[in-house]
Amino acid sequence: QLQLQESGPGLVKPSETLSLTCTVSGGSISSSSYYWGWIRQPPGKGLEWIGSIYYSGSTYYNPSLKSRVTISVDTSKNQFSLKLSSVTAADTAVYYCARADTVTHPGVWYWGQGTLVTVSS
Amino acid sequence: DIQMTQSPSSLSASVGDRVTITCQASQDISNYLNWYQQKPGKAPKLLIYDASNLETGVPSRFSGSGSGTDFTFTISSLQPEDIATYYCQQYDNLPSPTFGPGTKVDIK
Repeated sequence: QLQLQESGPGLVKPSETLSLTCTVSGGSISSSSYYWGWIRQPPGKGLEWIGSIYYSGSTYYNPSLKSRVTISVDTSKNQFSLKLSSVTAADTAVYYCARADTVTHPGVWYWGQGTLVTVSS
Repeated sequence: DIQMTQSPSSLSASVGDRVTITCQASQDISNYLNWYQQKPGKAPKLLIYDASNLETGVPSRFSGSGSGTDFTFTISSLQPEDIATYYCQQYDNLPSPTFGPGTKVDIK
């Protein structure tokens, strides 16, 4: 059973860069069967897709965040990462890493447990 | 970009009631539509995929229908454990999903 686990600082100062890592276990991040992505949820609000990456390195970003987002893959560690620059209080949210199936149930996203990141000085 | 709307934004119903949530896409997405349930403090959980297919292990009181731009999610007999927020999600462009704003379901 493929599992995802987010890790990273829970507190980031305004104007700094938010950095999170997602460790994949139970499967290979180099598989062509999945897209890997980040989705966030501000407290009390809905779900916002941040961006996705394919094993080939192709990336896809939410246009509203594109100028501040970088997603990358480290196949040697079976991890993928999120960097969000110039953060403000509006970036405070639970950040989920997730995978989208391309074969069995295309378009279905399966989620990690999520990690709360607070932007505050 | 494809936008998703949901209605209502919240509802309160009695145990045993039939509950219906609608989701509308800003353009034709065929049946590329999933439904998730999210309970407080938890990650979303898949209930329905491809608009009308029940995920393995999900109770049969949950169902979905629709295609094109208009979709419906139904709980045939609301149970106390169904208290949650429900989201639709389109995947017309698979790596770039869009979620509806959510419908919060409560017990009257």
